[in-house]
Amino acid sequence: EPEVTQTPSHQVTQMGQEVILRCVPISNHLYFYWYRQILGQKVEFLVSFYNNEISEKSEIFDDQFSVERPDGSNFTLKIRSTKLEDSAMYFCASRWTSGGLNTGELFFGEGSRLTVL
Amino acid sequence: AQKITQTQPGMFVQEKEAVTLDCTYDTSDPSYGLFWYKQPSSGEMIFLIYQGSYDQQNATEGRYSLNFQKARKSANLVISASQLGDSAMYFCAMREGDGGFKTIFGAGTRLFVKA
Repeated sequence: EPEVTQTPSHQVTQMGQEVILRCVPISNHLYFYWYRQILGQKVEFLVSFYNNEISEKSEIFDDQFSVERPDGSNFTLKIRSTKLEDSAMYFCASRWTSGGLNTGELFFGEGSRLTVL
Repeated sequence: AQKITQTQPGMFVQEKEAVTLDCTYDTSDPSYGLFWYKQPSSGEMIFLIYQGSYDQQNATEGRYSLNFQKARKSANLVISASQLGDSAMYFCAMREGDGGFKTIFGAGTRLFVKA
């Protein structure tokens, strides 16, 4: 069964360093997402990406964050200068579309745990 | 603005009994989709069930059913015949419109199933 894959599963970094989290969405999906979850709490929307551009972003997704889909398969989240409060689990998700028999549910990767020291 | 509310931070249920997890939502869009996801202690997010705003029937998937009350803007998840493996965090979520880009999540309810 196709799945969303994320790397790394865990990354430890020093405050102020740049981090890139990588995701390979399901190949025929059209919408791509990053979500953040701090310590098993609420799953927070960061950004959605469609047709090779950001379609929507949250207030959390400020100038230190960026996303790219450089080669048609990978989908990356870059955090330019990490802060302590960026420590969280970052989930990548994708979906095909919705309508008809397709519910448009999100397919999640297993997450990348970021620890900022 | 869309909003999802889960008022039960934690719930206990006896094995083999049914349990209802509450979810209310708010949106001004007449077209929307409602979802429930399960997050076990291992951390992955698992899609359980979907209800479209225009669906006439309540959604069911195996032991999961969604009690959709549109006028009250509620979308409660009912788990029948609870199993120990149902112990997990459960998130209600909503996406506005078929073309809506964003799915937002409630705060979650942690379910504990007792043997």
